[in-house]
Formats: sequence, C-alpha cells, structure tokens
Amino acid sequence: DAGVTQSPTHLIKTRGQHVTLRCSPISGHKSVSWYQQVLGQGPQFIFQYYEKEERGRGNFPDRFSARQFPNYSSELNVNALLLGDSALYLCASSPFLAGGYNEQFFGPGTRLTVL
Amino acid sequence: DAKTTQPPSMDCAEGRAANLPCNHSTISGNEYVYWYRQIHSQGPQYIIHGLKNNETNEMASLIITEDRKSSTLILPHATLRDTAVYYCIVRVEGNKLSFGAGTTVTVRA
Repeated sequence: DAGVTQSPTHLIKTRGQHVTLRCSPISGHKSVSWYQQVLGQGPQFIFQYYEKEERGRGNFPDRFSARQFPNYSSELNVNALLLGDSALYLCASSPFLAGGYNEQFFGPGTRLTVL
Repeated sequence: DAKTTQPPSMDCAEGRAANLPCNHSTISGNEYVYWYRQIHSQGPQYIIHGLKNNETNEMASLIITEDRKSSTLILPHATLRDTAVYYCIVRVEGNKLSFGAGTTVTVRA
C-alpha cells in the first residue's frame, strides 16, 4: 500500500507570494494533520482535519489555511509568504480522530524555501 | 501540555543497546507515552506507545516507571540506520502531536 504522499517535494518562492501544498493520505484514513518543521526544531502542529472539517488549529497566523476534500486529500495554503515560512511542511494521516492511542503516519514532507 | 525532557544528544555503539530516557513528571492518568523518530530529511516515524505497562514490538521496547513520571525507549541492537532524532511525546489532543526538541542519537561503527 502507498504511504502518505506529498507534492511538490521542493518549492522555491519569493516573499509575498502564495503557495499551495498537497497531501494524499493513506487509503482509508480520514484524518489529515499538517505540521511545520523549521530547521533544527521539532515539528509544530498547524492544522488537523477529519471528515472534511477542521478539528484543530495551532498557533499560526491567518495567512495559513487548509482544506480537506471528499476523497480525504488535503491542501495547505500559505499567503503573503515571509522568509520565516521557510521550512519542511509535513502531512500526517490517521484512520480516525481519537483522544487515546492514535498512530499517525507521516509523509516525506515538502521543503519550502522563501527567498 | 505535559512537558517532556530528553537529553539533547547521545552516542551508541553499533550492535549495543541504546537506552533513551524521557522525563514526563506532569503526565496525567489518561495520557499515553509515544515515541517517534525522524531520520534526516524524512518525515517522523512511529516507533511505539504505552500507557502503564511495558511494551515491546519489532522495533523497540518501552519501559514506563510505576509512577509514570519517566520512561525509557530501548533499541536492543542499534544499527547505523537507527541514527536519527528521537521524540518522546506525552500530550495528544485528538491527532495533535506536540514535538519537543528530541534526542539526537548517533550510532557509531
């Protein structure tokens, strides 16, 4: 079975531009989460979607938005890019939304560089 | 969030056991302990989780103290491919994982 896939692998943008990152979860997984990982730090939670609804949001500005489609794939959008948005953006999927045990499967990430 | 404390780095000899400590003194009764690792330039990978009892799978063993204030991840026979950043996580809201800085483990030949 295919794992979580993300596209593109790498992306270079300039300040002020807009970017859209895409994620396809593992087949059958209904929950998708997005994380930002700045170089040298652990991943930071951005969004969580389950059954096409936003179920959690991290401490990120409104320039960050996301959505989940009927096929459970997801897009992360970032407007008005800043240099500080340069990071590895990770997508994770899991079968369901749970408060207890829940294993999340991460994709390889999209490396965004803002110049 | 329940805060975790891990050493920033540690070395391990290939073929030997690697013991990775984690302190989580504010963990609540229904919070699980999760371990993930991240090999350079890849997404994090789930290793193991536990609530109260010790757990073992094909990758590692997890030892949780009786008071649940600390735990140890054990890689029984470390290989060069185990070189990675290891994250101990105890706070989960829905599917949100709160990653700290982790422990950078370097396995040396």
